[in-house]
This record gives sequence, structure tokens and C-alpha cells, in this order.
Amino acid sequence: GAVVSQHPSWVICKSGTSVKIECRSLDFQATTMFWYRQFPKQSLMLMATSNEGSKATYEQGVEKDKFLINHASLTLSTLTVTSAHPEDSSFYICSASRPGLAGGPGDTQYFGPGTRLTVL
Amino acid sequence: TQLLEQSPQFLSIQEGENLTVYCNSSSVFSSLQWYRQEPGEGPVLLVTVVTGGEVKKLKRLTFQFGDARKDSSLHITAAQPGDTGLYLCAGAKAAGNKLTFGGGTRVLVKP
Repeated sequence: GAVVSQHPSWVICKSGTSVKIECRSLDFQATTMFWYRQFPKQSLMLMATSNEGSKATYEQGVEKDKFLINHASLTLSTLTVTSAHPEDSSFYICSASRPGLAGGPGDTQYFGPGTRLTVL
Repeated sequence: TQLLEQSPQFLSIQEGENLTVYCNSSSVFSSLQWYRQEPGEGPVLLVTVVTGGEVKKLKRLTFQFGDARKDSSLHITAAQPGDTGLYLCAGAKAAGNKLTFGGGTRVLVKP
């Protein structure tokens, strides 16, 4: 169990266009999902926390008007990169928080396979 | 400055050798996770540790959480080429809270 999918797995777009990335938890409901960005040979950088039915919480330095997040249901969150520029090219990864069992380690984040965005 | 410092940043060893990756912080975490990530893929959860002093074993991998819940280590015995990847530690301050990732340790196991 605990499978998270992302779509698309890769996308190439022209500068100035918008790109939408979907993140789905396939076999569990996730009230909280997270969006990360990863540059080559670097660790994950948290961009925002997405809560179902409410506005996303963005990390410092992340433009909320550029990276639009919508968490429409307990199994789907979307990240839209608006007016994309070449510097937005990166590997975007989402994770879904699965509630833990009583007495267990608490919530666990399960990651999607990532989406590679290339902006020309 | 990263809240979680991983060391070393890169490790290259021969098949059959042992290795240890460290994850240190001045902050206390309620839980700490270890992930392994391969190129072009998302991180895969290896283990979660929550109790100070806890030791968990996963085949040839041994994970330890420090008594004060500020640091952790990952030890691999008799490493194999399939262990090659980016190892990431990540800590949570509270259940359900966002994760803070370490900088990662890139491990290369040569046959």
C-alpha cells in the first residue's frame, strides 16, 4: 500500500506557458500533501504544504502566484507552474502524508515518482 | 545552513565493504526517516525511527536514532552495487508536520 503517482512524468514546454502537474494518492486518503523541488545532485527543497479544502502554505521565497496549488480532494493535489521560465526547469516531487496507526510512528510521507519539467 | 547535516556528501566504496552515513542536528525531532532515491525517481522510504536510542535493522541496513533524538546513522554491511543511490534523512518536529531534509549522501558501490 501507500502508492503515490504523479502525472506527467516529464514535460517540455515553451517559456511563458503554464504547466499543471498532478499528484494522486492511489490507495489512501491524504489530507496533507507536500510539493518539493529538486535540482541535480541536490536534496529536496520543500515548496509548499497542500491541505485539502484550504489554501496551501508556501515556504519562504516561493511565489504563490507562480506556483499555484490546488488540493481538490483527499487523493489529488495539483501544482501549476504559471508563465514558466527556463529557471523553473527542475524535478518536481510530491508526497502524500498517510496517517499513522495508533501507537505507531505517526504520519508518514510517501513520495511520488517525480515530474521533470524542462522549459525552453 | 541546513537544519539537518548529512555526512559524508559522497561515498565511493568497493562491493563488500561497510559504510556509515550520519545525520546530525542541534534540534530535537519527534521522528526521523531515511529514504533512498535513484536518479529520475522519487525517494523511497526505508525506515522511520521515533524513540531515542532506537535501533532498527532492515536486512544489511542498520538504522540508529540518537538518545536525544537529534541525530541518526545508517550503516550498511557488505555493500552491494544495488545499494548505490542518494540516501536522504528527514526529520519531523511533530506528527503530521513537514519534513526537513538533510543534504543527502550520494553512495556509489563499485563491483
